[in-house]
Amino acid sequence: AQSVTQPDIHITVSEGASLELRCNYSYGATPYLFWYVQSPGQGLQLLLKYFSGDTLVQGIKGFEAEFKRSQSSFNLRKPSVHWSDAAEYFCAVEYSNYQLIWGAGTKLIIKP
Amino acid sequence: NAGVTQTPKFQVLKTGQSMTLQCAQDMNHEYMSWYRQDPGMGLRLIHYSVGAGITDQGEVPNGYNVSRSTTEDFPLRLLSAAPSQTSVYFCASSYTDRILSGANVLTFGAGSRLTVL
Repeated sequence: AQSVTQPDIHITVSEGASLELRCNYSYGATPYLFWYVQSPGQGLQLLLKYFSGDTLVQGIKGFEAEFKRSQSSFNLRKPSVHWSDAAEYFCAVEYSNYQLIWGAGTKLIIKP
Repeated sequence: NAGVTQTPKFQVLKTGQSMTLQCAQDMNHEYMSWYRQDPGMGLRLIHYSVGAGITDQGEVPNGYNVSRSTTEDFPLRLLSAAPSQTSVYFCASSYTDRILSGANVLTFGAGSRLTVL
């Protein structure tokens, strides 16, 4: 069965430090991959997406993600986090027309 | 543009009561969906629709009904509320990014927090 795993429930980083959030998926075909962010009390907002082509994709707010087919991973990165990046981050995979599988989310905590 | 509008934002129900969560979008999106979000479980799809008059079940449809009479509206009905339906509900709509490859890029509403006592 298809699945998406975000192994870290919480991650704490200092403001200005680099960030990497992990996402692994289980799916036989070439997937469409997404990262969404949810600020407290808000809906989810698309950060970036991978469809095909260049495996390093750029998103909003200075985020990027790299698709590694050999590792079935789509990790999210940011070189220097800001306090406003504190939020919950969700990885999702589109496994058939319109249908997405979601990871359980990673809550990012920023230390001042 | 308003995007995706959900009402109400908060609701408290007693077990056995019924209610409807409203969702409207003004982007002419063909696809609309309802998710529930529970701690540590990510988002789970309840029902979805690929166009007016067409609905289908998602991962957790039991206890919920939907209809899609117009492109803009996609209400979610709880027939007889149970404490297990205490959750945050999100409506999301999308176009398929046909220019690139047809992938589903979702626009979410702000959510409706439901408590069933």
